[in-house]
Amino acid sequence: DQQVKQNSPSLSVQEGRISILNCDYTNSMFDYFLWYKKYPAEGPTFLISISSIKDKNEDGRFTVFLNKSAKHLSLHIVPSQPGDSAVYFCAASARGSQGNLIFGKGTKLSVKP
Amino acid sequence: ETGVTQTPRHLVMGMTNKKSLKCEQHLGHNAMYWYKQSAKKPLELMFVYNFKEQTENNSVPSRFSPECPNSSHLFLHLHTLQPEDSALYLCASSQGQRIETQYFGPGTRLLVL
Repeated sequence: DQQVKQNSPSLSVQEGRISILNCDYTNSMFDYFLWYKKYPAEGPTFLISISSIKDKNEDGRFTVFLNKSAKHLSLHIVPSQPGDSAVYFCAASARGSQGNLIFGKGTKLSVKP
Repeated sequence: ETGVTQTPRHLVMGMTNKKSLKCEQHLGHNAMYWYKQSAKKPLELMFVYNFKEQTENNSVPSRFSPECPNSSHLFLHLHTLQPEDSALYLCASSQGQRIETQYFGPGTRLLVL
């Protein structure tokens, strides 16, 4: 059973608007969450992370929100740009794990000019 | 070279072949990882090395054999693979293992015939 779920395989957004990518998790031991972005033929690149002691982390156009009670996190990109078109992976790490990141299946974001 | 590099980028092998994947990180990190990404599935952690010592083996079949001669290099030796082992194999590195961002290489696309 998947511990990290990204239920939307794809998302299409107009340039300049907000992109919201969602991620749900089931393991209450997860205490650190990351978002990665992946372009075709490249490895995932780190985007932004959040610790469970926070509910929001912001870095430029990217903001991650964490709702621990709902076991839900989201990545907001505003304004969206065509260069943001990529696959976005949500990942989680549990206290006591040895660098074991659990990934979701990814959401493909397309930002249209 | 910068970041995390992987060679070869593409590999086709028969089920009786023996091949090796190579990963090198130029970031001065202490931990290195092998991940597998099959079609329609999330990234799955295979092995973790911390200071050249294997600290995690996620129930990976013995036909996959990792080797970490030093903190900068990681190999994945392959022998008698099955067609279902065809996937994208990603290497990553991080400074430590816990709550540390992992940096990924571009991956090796493996096809087993």
